[in-house]
Amino acid sequence: QVQLVQSGAEVKKPGSSVKVSCKASGGTFSSYAISWVRQAPGQGLEWMGGIIPIFGTANYAQKFQGRVTITADESTSTAYMELSSLRSEDTAVYYCASADPRGGGDFSCFYWGQGTLVTVSS
Amino acid sequence: DIQMTQSPSSLSASVGDRVTITCQASQDISNYLNWYQQKPGKAPKLLIYDASNLETGVPSRFSGSGSGTDFTFTISSLQPEDIATYYCQQYDNLPHSFGQGTKLEIK
Repeated sequence: QVQLVQSGAEVKKPGSSVKVSCKASGGTFSSYAISWVRQAPGQGLEWMGGIIPIFGTANYAQKFQGRVTITADESTSTAYMELSSLRSEDTAVYYCASADPRGGGDFSCFYWGQGTLVTVSS
Repeated sequence: DIQMTQSPSSLSASVGDRVTITCQASQDISNYLNWYQQKPGKAPKLLIYDASNLETGVPSRFSGSGSGTDFTFTISSLQPEDIATYYCQQYDNLPHSFGQGTKLEIK
């Protein structure tokens, strides 16, 4: 069973950047995609992008293209999501999620981290 | 991007009721659809993958069906612990878009 543990809550100023980590255990980190999904307060789920660590190339939703960078460190089984040029609308809980070989697509979300609250406020 | 439209947006039902949520894709996505449950303050949980496959450990009262553009999620007999928001997600194309969610409440 894959377990994902995310870094703690962050408070950031508008215009700054945030980097959230997601450490995996209990599975084969390199082979299965890690996706990042965010949820603004009281809103639905939004898929931001994902990476298959063994390939190293990330895919991003066009909405976030140019502002988000997703990376993975196979040596520590940790994925990262960095979001730049933060604005108040980026205040949200950010989740990482891992795929599984049983199905659901390359970037399916079988296993989830606990979420990281990022608050953007001046 | 593929648009996913869920209905209803909210639903109130009694314990023991059969509950059905629909999800419509803006284009054919074959069976490339997942369903998630999210309880307040918690991370989402995968219930159904590939439109109809029940994730391990998920009670059999949950089921999914459909292909192409129209999908259905069913709870055969609503239990109090099923109170949550449910989301569909397509994975035919990137970005893997979610429906807007269906909030399920007990009547």
